[in-house]
Amino acid sequence: DTEVTQTPKHLVMGMTNKKSLKCEQHMGHRAMYWYKQKAKKPPELMFVYSYEKLSINESVPSRFSPECPNSSLLNLHLHALQPEDSALYLCASSQDPGVGEKLFFGSGTQLSVL
Amino acid sequence: GENVEQHPSTLSVQEGDSAVIKCTYSDSASNYFPWYKQELGKGPQLIIDIRSNVGEKKDQRIAVTLNKTAKHFSLHITETQPEDSAVYFCAASTYSSASKIIFGSGTRLSIRP
Repeated sequence: DTEVTQTPKHLVMGMTNKKSLKCEQHMGHRAMYWYKQKAKKPPELMFVYSYEKLSINESVPSRFSPECPNSSLLNLHLHALQPEDSALYLCASSQDPGVGEKLFFGSGTQLSVL
Repeated sequence: GENVEQHPSTLSVQEGDSAVIKCTYSDSASNYFPWYKQELGKGPQLIIDIRSNVGEKKDQRIAVTLNKTAKHFSLHITETQPEDSAVYFCAASTYSSASKIIFGSGTRLSIRP
């Protein structure tokens, strides 16, 4: 199994809603990532979890809250988002954290904030 | 920090012809250079990568070359096919950047039948 599975595929939420994005991998990877991708732009790193601990936070606003319940699961909790947060949210994983590690991406959650 | 520039932003080639995408990077300490392909509605997929101790790497119709002196690397796709149509991203990373890779701005490749 070389897949990273993300749910839901699409999400529409209001600015006062609370929602969560989920990501799962069963490749035994020990690093997991959240990226944000705007249309026609490259992915931008948000968070990195290394061995289930948050190792990188790219100064992401606190309305985005990541969680890594175990080595296979990664969540992104959303609260009080703004319309400019509308984007494709990608989860990725790699065997280990660090340079030279191949990233495996999920298909993403297309988020629309109204 | 690292900056990766990618050209062209769009590329259209006849089916069967070759396509070349070029990237330059700024940090001479960069030592890992992956290429990702992103099809519509999907996440990026690694198609080939090269490390700084290698000048060229090939995998069937895809090849990547690296010129460390000039700080540029290129993706070459030969005998292009309709399924090669996608957005391609180059990227670079260094040991100092830990788990962070810096992506280029992307190239939208279209294959004309």
